[in-house]
Amino acid sequence: IAGITQAPTSQILAAGRRMTLRCTQDMRHNAMYWYRQDLGLGLRLIHYSNTAGTTGKGEVPDGYSVSRANTDDFPLTLASAVPSQTSVYFCASSLTGDSNQPQHFGDGTRLSIL
Amino acid sequence: AQRVTQPEKLLSVFKGAPVELKCNYSYSGSPELFWYVQYSRQRLQLLLRHISRESIKGFTADLNKGETSFHLKKPFAQEEDSAMYYCALNSGYALNFGKGTSLLVTP
Repeated sequence: IAGITQAPTSQILAAGRRMTLRCTQDMRHNAMYWYRQDLGLGLRLIHYSNTAGTTGKGEVPDGYSVSRANTDDFPLTLASAVPSQTSVYFCASSLTGDSNQPQHFGDGTRLSIL
Repeated sequence: AQRVTQPEKLLSVFKGAPVELKCNYSYSGSPELFWYVQYSRQRLQLLLRHISRESIKGFTADLNKGETSFHLKKPFAQEEDSAMYYCALNSGYALNFGKGTSLLVTP
């Protein structure tokens, strides 16, 4: 079934450790996104990519990095995790980065930083 | 600046009652607005978008540019409508979400 796959489903991580959240889509969508979801704050954009080879910063990019080496994969890396990065992370994709395109979401990764 | 406001964190209604989830936005351009829904233990999914002017699962939403609103409405709520609802504005490169409204439909 086509869609977005995120891994891991959940993770407990010690502060200071490096962590990469994986996101893969098989819909050949050009645009991909990373959001974090926090209670009372909704979803906030971390980074995005309109096409392979390009990335951009969202609302809350500090402490995170991304890469887009190909169309299908869009990993999110926490170089040195801090407790404030405890959150649920959602990857999403859309056919293009145009504003009228709906986004398709993965199941999320629940990350706890201790 | 683009902003989406959902004033109600929680909305509780009885089954069969009408429901309206409020959404107001601020955006200098021509807005592209969406409603997303997240049922318990499921991924976020698109419910509807203003450009298609459709009705999904009995829900409708009309863009009111004068009031800068995009309220979600359903005339008769069902228990299976209980979920988290997010209004979102596309700011040109990504979605700008409201903080969400949790809808609880009780029997």
